[in-house]
Amino acid sequence: DQQVKQNSPSLSVQEGRISILNCDYTNSMFDYFLWYKKYPAEGPTFLISISSIKDKNEDGRFTVFLNKSAKHLSLHIVPSQPGDSAVYFCAAKPMSNDMRFGAGTRLTVKP
Amino acid sequence: DAGVIQSPRHEVTEMGQEVTLRCKPISGHNSLFWYRQTMMRGLELLIYFNNNVPIDDSGMPEDRFSAKMPNASFSTLKIQPSEPRDSAVYFCASTISGANVLTFGAGSRLTVL
Repeated sequence: DQQVKQNSPSLSVQEGRISILNCDYTNSMFDYFLWYKKYPAEGPTFLISISSIKDKNEDGRFTVFLNKSAKHLSLHIVPSQPGDSAVYFCAAKPMSNDMRFGAGTRLTVKP
Repeated sequence: DAGVIQSPRHEVTEMGQEVTLRCKPISGHNSLFWYRQTMMRGLELLIYFNNNVPIDDSGMPEDRFSAKMPNASFSTLKIQPSEPRDSAVYFCASTISGANVLTFGAGSRLTVL
């Protein structure tokens, strides 16, 4: 039962342009959402998060948007840089600890 | 801060053998998670512990999988007997209970031939 879904396995963008990664969830009990970034042979690392009481959170080049009615969140990276090339995982958790992840989207930023 | 430490980083074994993966969480963290990464399902939650007690093991695929946390600084994930479909990267993560961000280890890549 995939409660967190990332329907795009891969995305390729040109350096300097915007990258938009999407995520959908099904569990209405989720109240905190996160994005993790993963490089090869490393563990996922935390990137940015958003609480369900907000609809936007910005940190430098990274912005996460949350649409609760659509059960959808997205990560915007602008401008995209080659070093952003990685697998991005969307994650969601309820009040308890059990964090659920999506299948990931591989982002490639071309110079 | 040494982070979450997992061992071995790579394991190649033959079908039917027992596999034990190990994890040392960050000191002071009292919640520990085991995830499995596959191409099809991404990061699947297998089991998590709070204060060394298993809270939710509904993600453990079958009885061949077991996990223990004998103390606050050590956990194991055991597969017995192993099968080729168990081949994946297994991640351990830890956090302080109630916190929203997990810290992951570098993972253990398991290949079952």
